[in-house]
Amino acid sequence: NAGVTQTPKFQVLKTGQSMTLQCAQDMNHNSMYWYRQDPGMGLRLIYYSASEGTTDKGEVPNGYNVSRLNKREFSLRLESAAPSQTSVYFCASTDGRGYGYTFGSGTRLTVV
Amino acid sequence: GNSVTQMEGPVTLSEEAFLTINCTYTATGYPSLFWYVQYPGEGLQLLLKATKADDKGSNKGFEATYRKETTSFHLEKGSVQVSDSAVYFCALSDRTGGFKTIFGAGTRLFVKA
Repeated sequence: NAGVTQTPKFQVLKTGQSMTLQCAQDMNHNSMYWYRQDPGMGLRLIYYSASEGTTDKGEVPNGYNVSRLNKREFSLRLESAAPSQTSVYFCASTDGRGYGYTFGSGTRLTVV
Repeated sequence: GNSVTQMEGPVTLSEEAFLTINCTYTATGYPSLFWYVQYPGEGLQLLLKATKADDKGSNKGFEATYRKETTSFHLEKGSVQVSDSAVYFCALSDRTGGFKTIFGAGTRLFVKA
C-alpha cells in the first residue's frame, strides 16, 4: 500500500550511542517532516524538508540532524543519544497543496 | 507565532452520546485547519480538514466548521461508537515551510459500551 514507511519500529539505545531513523514515502510528495511525540505535549517539529535538496530546523532541532537523500527518503540522525530523546518519532509527508499530512507508524525510541 | 489550544482530556462518553472537542487557534494570515486521529500504537491519520473561513470539514460522521470570527474549529459527532475511542489532535498549517503543521496537545476520548 502507498504511504510512509518508517524503520525501525522500536529501538533501545544507551546514552551516547548514535543511530539513524529512516523514512521513505512512495506518493511523490515534495515535503517531509520529522516530529516527536511526548505525553501531554502533542507533536513537536524537529526538522523538515519543504522540497528535495532543502532542510530546515523546526521547534526542537537540538541533538538531531537530517538528510533529504532524494525525493522519497528523509532520515533523522541522533549523533549522541540522551535520555531526554526518549520519545515516539513520526515521519510525515505532504504534496504541498495544504491538504494534510500522511504519517508513518512511528519509531518508539528509548534511551537508557 | 501560531498556536493551537484544545480541551484537555480524557473525555469519557457512553455509546451514542454527542461529542464535542473544543479547539481554538492563533495564527496570522489564513491557515488551513485539520483534525487528526490516532489509534493506539499507530500514527496519526487525517480525519477532516477546512481550508478557508466558514468551510465545514466532515468524515465518518465527524464535523468541524472553520470559524474565523471566534478562531475556533470544534470537532463534533452526533453519536459516538466504542470504535471512536482514540486521541484526537487539532492542527493548523500555513504556507510557510511547505505547509508545516502545528498540533494541539491532543484529547483522549474513551467511549463505553
